[in-house]
Amino acid sequence: QKEVEQNSGPLSVPEGAIASLNCTYSDRGSQSFFWYRQYSGKSPELIMSIYSNGDKEDGRFTAQLNKASQYVSLLIRDSQPSDSATYLCAVNRYTGRRALTFGSGTRLQVQP
Amino acid sequence: KAGVTQTPRYLIKTRGQQVTLSCSPISGHRSVSWYQQTPGQGLQFLFEYFSETQRNKGNFPGRFSGRQFSNSRSEMNVSTLELGDSALYLCASSDAGSYNEQFFGPGTRLTVL
Repeated sequence: QKEVEQNSGPLSVPEGAIASLNCTYSDRGSQSFFWYRQYSGKSPELIMSIYSNGDKEDGRFTAQLNKASQYVSLLIRDSQPSDSATYLCAVNRYTGRRALTFGSGTRLQVQP
Repeated sequence: KAGVTQTPRYLIKTRGQQVTLSCSPISGHRSVSWYQQTPGQGLQFLFEYFSETQRNKGNFPGRFSGRQFSNSRSEMNVSTLELGDSALYLCASSDAGSYNEQFFGPGTRLTVL
């Protein structure tokens, strides 16, 4: 079992729709959770971080965390073609340390 | 604030050689982590430095090493290069707070021939 699992996609959604990206993790002791966006040929860009159960909203993005189910999700509202990228879920198992474990990423395609 | 910078951006080496990559973190950030990204293995953690000390290490052979200087700049070294070391090497910068947000540099693309 992989430590952080994501559906590789591609996830295809029409412009203006809600894109829902999911991630599960295996270590119950995981402390912090992140979503990165990576365009082809570029480095990952941090778009959301979440540390406690519930929802966290930032603009068109909402991260959801359910530690009991070991599940993290990212919702992108009003999806735009510029949102087309690979979305990486990352988990930090250690408080105070910066050793992220990444999922393999979900490729999102937003169709104009 | 300027972002994370990495040099060089591209490198071509041959098997058996060694290579040194450099990373300058965001001003004020004292934690620097290194990651390797390949199509087959994805993004994998190499090591983290904080205040010139290696604080955490991933599951990589001893050919991969690093260090951090007093100004928080960091270098990583790979000795006796193998074809499988071809990858994008990413440096991530973080401040000393407990929330662990890491910001990546543009990466160094290493090709081993």
